[in-house]
Amino acid sequence: KAGVTQTPRYLIKTRGQQVTLSCSPISGHRSVSWYQQTPGQGLQFLFEYFSETQRNKGNFPGRFSGRQFSNSRSEMNVSTLELGDSALYLCASSPGLADQNIQYFGAGTRLSVL
Amino acid sequence: AQSVSQHNHHVILSEAASLELGCNYSYGGTVNLFWYVQYPGQHLQLLLKYFSGDPLVKGIKGFEAEFIKSKFSFNLRKPSVQWSDTAEYFCAVIHTGRRALTFGSGTRLQVQP
Repeated sequence: KAGVTQTPRYLIKTRGQQVTLSCSPISGHRSVSWYQQTPGQGLQFLFEYFSETQRNKGNFPGRFSGRQFSNSRSEMNVSTLELGDSALYLCASSPGLADQNIQYFGAGTRLSVL
Repeated sequence: AQSVSQHNHHVILSEAASLELGCNYSYGGTVNLFWYVQYPGQHLQLLLKYFSGDPLVKGIKGFEAEFIKSKFSFNLRKPSVQWSDTAEYFCAVIHTGRRALTFGSGTRLQVQP
């Protein structure tokens, strides 16, 4: 079974631009969560989607948004990029139907904002 | 808001030494607990999990963890580490009914041959 796939692996953008990251979950998983990982703040939850609906949201500004498609693939968008958005963005998938579900992580997209 | 504390930020051990990494969380309700590992250049992988039942859980590669509810702790242990255990270890908590993992700041383990 293929794991969680994130594309692209690396991105370089400049301040003010916007960026879209993609995540393909494990086959059969309906929940996709996004996390930001930085040296200073560690791993922080951005949001979670299930069946094309955002179910949970972390404490990030509205510049961070996401969506999920009917095939469970998810995209994350960051508009008006700031230097502080440089980070590793991780996607995790899980079956999503029970409380006792485990999140499986992709390799991440490393975003550098110049 | 719940939080997770990992008190050891950087641990250096020699091969065959025993390992214990501390993890404490702040939430008082029912929680699910996890340890994830991130080997150099690789993605986060699940080491072990606790949902309910026996508070001593065993994971992959000889790791185990003990959930002590009264102490809000979930410490990771391994009797004898190997050079290949060099990695960053993250403790994470999710309270039942939510979907967001709260992570500790991580512990970088360096095992010297």
